[in-house]
Amino acid sequence: EIVMTQSPATLSVSPGERATLSCRASQSVSSNLAWYQQKPGQPFRLLIYGASTRATGIPARFSGSGSGTEFTLTISSLQSEDFAVYYCQHYKNWPRTFGQGTKVEVK
Amino acid sequence: EVQLVASGGTLVQPGGSLRLSCVASGFTFNKYWMNWVRQAPGKGLEWVANIKQDGSEKYYVDSMKGRFTISRDNAKNSLYLQMNSLRAEDTAVYYCARDLPGASCVDVWGQGTTVTVSS
Repeated sequence: EIVMTQSPATLSVSPGERATLSCRASQSVSSNLAWYQQKPGQPFRLLIYGASTRATGIPARFSGSGSGTEFTLTISSLQSEDFAVYYCQHYKNWPRTFGQGTKVEVK
Repeated sequence: EVQLVASGGTLVQPGGSLRLSCVASGFTFNKYWMNWVRQAPGKGLEWVANIKQDGSEKYYVDSMKGRFTISRDNAKNSLYLQMNSLRAEDTAVYYCARDLPGASCVDVWGQGTTVTVSS
């Protein structure tokens, strides 16, 4: 099973600032990597798939990069609605696994 | 509107059984792989199982293999999860989820249904 490790666990950022979230895989997943956003009381939202492709309707301030074992989700200028928990997930093989999440909170 | 509505979660005793259901609407259900994913209280996400469009392929996480069964009824636009021999560690919110075509990640999530295993 591929283990996904996210860092940091919590990221404190001021609105308008840039946020950089990291995700590391225990072995190569090529570009088979997705990012999700979770907000209380709302369904999970797919942000990025294929490591760098924005899902339908996702604002351009969200970008993904990386391949192999190291990945990054960048939010270029945090808006109030972006404070949430973010998860990465690989889909290289079965079982698909998630990172433990990064909480982005208001500084 | 694309929607997944899960139901069936409740309090059940250890060793008990439960069947979760998920009704899909707003899209052609029989064209998509479907999944169950769970989130234990205060914990991260864990894949449970997934099933091919016609039900001919199913995959389970090892810890649930033999205890959980995923199935679907395309005529009813419905996904199911039969859970047997339930343990305290199965306590979680269970989400019904649709695969993004061409990528094994989820593009539509349901709101979740809560399963609590406790005596």
